Amino acid sequence: DGGITQSPKYLFRKEGQNVTLSCEQNLNHDAMYWYRQDPGQGLRLIYYSQIVNDFQKGDIAEGYSVSREKKESFPLTVTSAQKNPTAFYLCASSLRRRGRSSYNEQFFGPGTRLTVL
Amino acid sequence: DAKTTQPTSMDCAEGRAANLPCNHSTISGNEYVYWYRQIHSQGPQYIIHGLKNNETNEMASLIITEDRKSSTLILPHATLRDTAVYYCIAGGSRLTFGEGTQLTVNP
Repeated sequence: DGGITQSPKYLFRKEGQNVTLSCEQNLNHDAMYWYRQDPGQGLRLIYYSQIVNDFQKGDIAEGYSVSREKKESFPLTVTSAQKNPTAFYLCASSLRRRGRSSYNEQFFGPGTRLTVL
Repeated sequence: DAKTTQPTSMDCAEGRAANLPCNHSTISGNEYVYWYRQIHSQGPQYIIHGLKNNETNEMASLIITEDRKSSTLILPHATLRDTAVYYCIAGGSRLTFGEGTQLTVNP
């Protein structure tokens, strides 16, 4: 069953603790993305990676870190430096268009809702 | 990524066509128009995308104006399950999500 999975669905952490959110895809997609969504707002890009062992900052990277050691995995760590970490976090992936530098549509996981107490 | 403008909310009667407009007047030549929708507390669902030509799939149709400055997503026979926030995005590898249009399908 192909797709993109995120775990856990709900996560609670105490203030000051780092927490890592999992994102796995078995679609053989080249690129992976992390977004943050706050209530009533659209998605904002945190980090993205177009190839293994390489990633770029998005619009709101401060307080977050990522790694891309394997094509199918792109974990996101929310560090204690993130001022307002409580949010809905979404992971996505997309396939590179053949012979081009652009990418196809993104497919999203179900999301992880992080609450920092 | 080009900025997009969408109405904040729209209503549609069940069984009727829902036409959702989007303006993207600063879109560049290599940027695609994507449409996604998001049902509360779920990940966004891809609907359709296009570059220049109109597109149709099993979910919807996408009409892009000749100058590519605006587009319309058409859900031909809206159902209650189509109630969601619909995002129009003009972009390439990176997608910038605005606040979208809240479509409410009424019985």
